Amino acid sequence: LAKTTQPISMDSYEGQEVNITCSHNNIATNDYITWYQQFPSQGPRFIIQGYKTKVTNEVASLFIPADRKSSTLSLPRVSLSDTAVYYCLVGGLGGSTLGRLYFGRGTQLTVWP
Amino acid sequence: KAGVTQTPRYLIKTRGQQVTLSCSPISGHRSVSWYQQTPGQGLQFLFEYFSETQRNKGNFPGRFSGRQFSNSRSEMNVSTLELGDSALYLCASSTDRDRGYEQYFGPGTRLTVT
Repeated sequence: LAKTTQPISMDSYEGQEVNITCSHNNIATNDYITWYQQFPSQGPRFIIQGYKTKVTNEVASLFIPADRKSSTLSLPRVSLSDTAVYYCLVGGLGGSTLGRLYFGRGTQLTVWP
Repeated sequence: KAGVTQTPRYLIKTRGQQVTLSCSPISGHRSVSWYQQTPGQGLQFLFEYFSETQRNKGNFPGRFSGRQFSNSRSEMNVSTLELGDSALYLCASSTDRDRGYEQYFGPGTRLTVT
């Protein structure tokens, strides 16, 4: 079953690019890779999702190598408000991916002024 | 469009009691998932309901159960509460069934068991 491994914490300064890597060696063919952001006392918020190669939206990019055993969330020019826990999630809902839902332990990103 | 709502937001119960938590998904979303979040274990998947049927289940004991109504609203029940059940319980809804998923989370219900 696909479980994930992420760094426990990372520090950065405002304006820098931050890359958070998640390992998921046992990812299945039907699994997607999704990243969420969570602030204290709030529910997680969807950031980005991908299956392979590269995905980019208005807030982040997601890089997935060909073997899909890892993925990297890239946050360009972070600000203080990006301080949060970032979760890597591998899995899907329904069908052959029944029950295959695992959140990583999360990475606490702290952005300093 | 209103977001996912959960009630109550805070709850204090005693060991041995039971509790029911409620979740109203975003209008049009038919999938509702429940998660437990604790400092020690992080975010753990409990179960997922789609069209009133439990479609996915995590590794939790049978004391944790749920259901979904025809309007997609969902309830989660925990019987015979234990101290270790103290956690933030999060509900998430989704409309995307088979191509991976983008879930929208509610603010959670903070359950404290004394």
